Order: sequence, then C-alpha cells, then structure tokens
Amino acid sequence: ELKVEQNPLFLSMQEGKNYTIYCNYSTTSDRLYWYRQDPGKSLESLFVLLSNGAVKQEGRLMASLDTKARLSTLHITAAVHDLSATYFCAVDVRMVVFGAGTILRVKS
Amino acid sequence: GAGVSQTPSNKVTEKGKYVELRCDPISGHTALYWYRQSLGQGPEFLIYFQGTGAADDSGLPNDRFFAVRPEGSVSTLKIQRTERGDSAVYLCASSQGLGGWNEQFFGPGTRLTVL
Repeated sequence: ELKVEQNPLFLSMQEGKNYTIYCNYSTTSDRLYWYRQDPGKSLESLFVLLSNGAVKQEGRLMASLDTKARLSTLHITAAVHDLSATYFCAVDVRMVVFGAGTILRVKS
Repeated sequence: GAGVSQTPSNKVTEKGKYVELRCDPISGHTALYWYRQSLGQGPEFLIYFQGTGAADDSGLPNDRFFAVRPEGSVSTLKIQRTERGDSAVYLCASSQGLGGWNEQFFGPGTRLTVL
C-alpha cells in the first residue's frame, strides 16, 4: 500500500523567511503533484513533476522530485502572507494518493 | 470556459437515507475522478472513469457507494444507507486523459453531513 508522508504537518513562519516542505512516498512513481487548498475551497494545482530531477518554479515556490529517494520538496522563498494555505503532495500510481497536507501560516 | 462544477454544494441528510452527488467535468475531459476529504486530511481516492467505464473503483469504501458516468460526461456518486462516518467533502476532478501531463482540475466539492 502506497504511503505518502508530508512534514511538517503544520508550519508557522515569518514573512520573508525561507522554508521547505517534504513529501516522502513509499513506492516507485515518477509522477508527483503539488496542490494548494485555501480554507473552504477546492484544490488548486501548483506543480506537475514527471521525472527524476524535475524542478519547477512559480513565483516564491519551487518544487523538485527525486524518484530514487522517493522524495519531493516544496521550497518557499521569502514567504508572504498570501502563501498561507494548506499544501498537499500527491503521488500518481495508477490512482492518486495524497499526503495529509501541510498547513502553512505566514505571520506578518 | 467553465471549470468542474459540483452540485449540491452542501447536503444534509439523515442516517440511513440515500444521496446523489453530481459532477460536471470540464467539457472534453475524458477522465473523471471522485475523492473524499475528511476534515484535516488529504483527499482520499474513491473511483475514476475513463469515458463511461469505471477504470478503477478500488477506493470505494464498501458496496453502499456507487458511481456512474453513463454518457462519458456528467458523473453521479450515489451513497445508500448513509452513515455518520460518510460525512465529508466529496471532490470531483477531471482531466483530458489519464496520468502523465494530464493535470487534474478539481471542482469546489459537495459537503455531505449525515446527522
């Protein structure tokens, strides 16, 4: 059974700081997704990572995938309040399995 | 163009009742997915369709849950004899195809509350 583990589950950070969210998964896959979810809202796709070594950046967020280590990271650079949300990674192994999510709060 | 839509947005029902949740995917998307998200957790896969057929229904928790997509577009998730533990947000997503670059686009969800 595929397990997808995110850490930390909760992250409170100051504006302007950098931090990384980690996503580990337990079986072979070369397809991983990152989503953002605001309270009471649905999921917004952030990144689609499809191969080992894939790196994608959008604004202050950068995601990477290491399929050999079964690890993806979501790096936040110079956080701003608008990034406050819950972030999910999801691994595609014929079905898509989500992590539990990381609640990010950026304090002014 | 319109995104994925789901109706109703909220559904309150009593234990033991039958409910239907509807999903309208993005026009032209052949793949459609159902997920269930409980409070404070990530979405849990239920079933996905490629066209009219259920390609994988291994996530349906038991035989009280059933989903159809008779014409390859709109899908209905049906829950019989609802239980309090069925309370969750039910999310639908669609994509142009399966896997790979076929990004899933999520609807706003239906919040089901079973009293």
